[in-house]
Amino acid sequence: AQSVAQPEDQVNVAEGNPLTVKCTYSVSGNPYLFWYVQYPNRGLQFLLKYITGDNLVKGSYGFEAEFNKSQTSFHLKKPSALVSDSALYFCAVSDRGSTLGRLYFGRGTQLTVWP
Amino acid sequence: GAGVSQTPSNKVTEKGKYVELRCDPISGHTALYWYRQSLGQGPEFLIYFQGTGAADDSGLPNDRFFAVRPEGSVSTLKIQRTERGDSAVYLCASSPLITDTQYFGPGTRLTVL
Repeated sequence: AQSVAQPEDQVNVAEGNPLTVKCTYSVSGNPYLFWYVQYPNRGLQFLLKYITGDNLVKGSYGFEAEFNKSQTSFHLKKPSALVSDSALYFCAVSDRGSTLGRLYFGRGTQLTVWP
Repeated sequence: GAGVSQTPSNKVTEKGKYVELRCDPISGHTALYWYRQSLGQGPEFLIYFQGTGAADDSGLPNDRFFAVRPEGSVSTLKIQRTERGDSAVYLCASSPLITDTQYFGPGTRLTVL
């Protein structure tokens, strides 16, 4: 069965430092991988996705993520964090088979960036 | 352009009542999805539509839940005989095709007393 794990409930970093939010997945076949961000009382906003090709994906607001097939990971990264990056981040996976169209989400990681 | 909109933003109802939640997708998006997000959890898939038909409704928890999209645009999620455990944020998303990025609305917070 398809699943996503975000092993850290919370990540705290100082402004200006690099940040990493971890995600591992389990899916049959090749995945589609996504990162979304959720601000309080707002819906999910799309950040970036991996479909195929280059393992390093660049997205909105300076975020990037690296697809690692051998480790089944898709960690979100940013070289220099901003206080405004503080939010709840969700990793999601979709397979390319019978459940195409369904996104499976992790539980989310609360990122706090301290000034 | 306009994003996905959902109404109402908040709905409070009593146990046993019937509720309808509405989703207006991005214009031209053929695929529409419903998810449910409980407190402290990631969104869980409920159902998705390709055009007017439900392509996958396997995430609906039981037969009290039903969704329609009669004209291939607006969708309504219907919950009969609501229970306290139905309290959650119901999210709607749309995409041009099912292989494309899903864009989410702000959600409807349902509270069942």
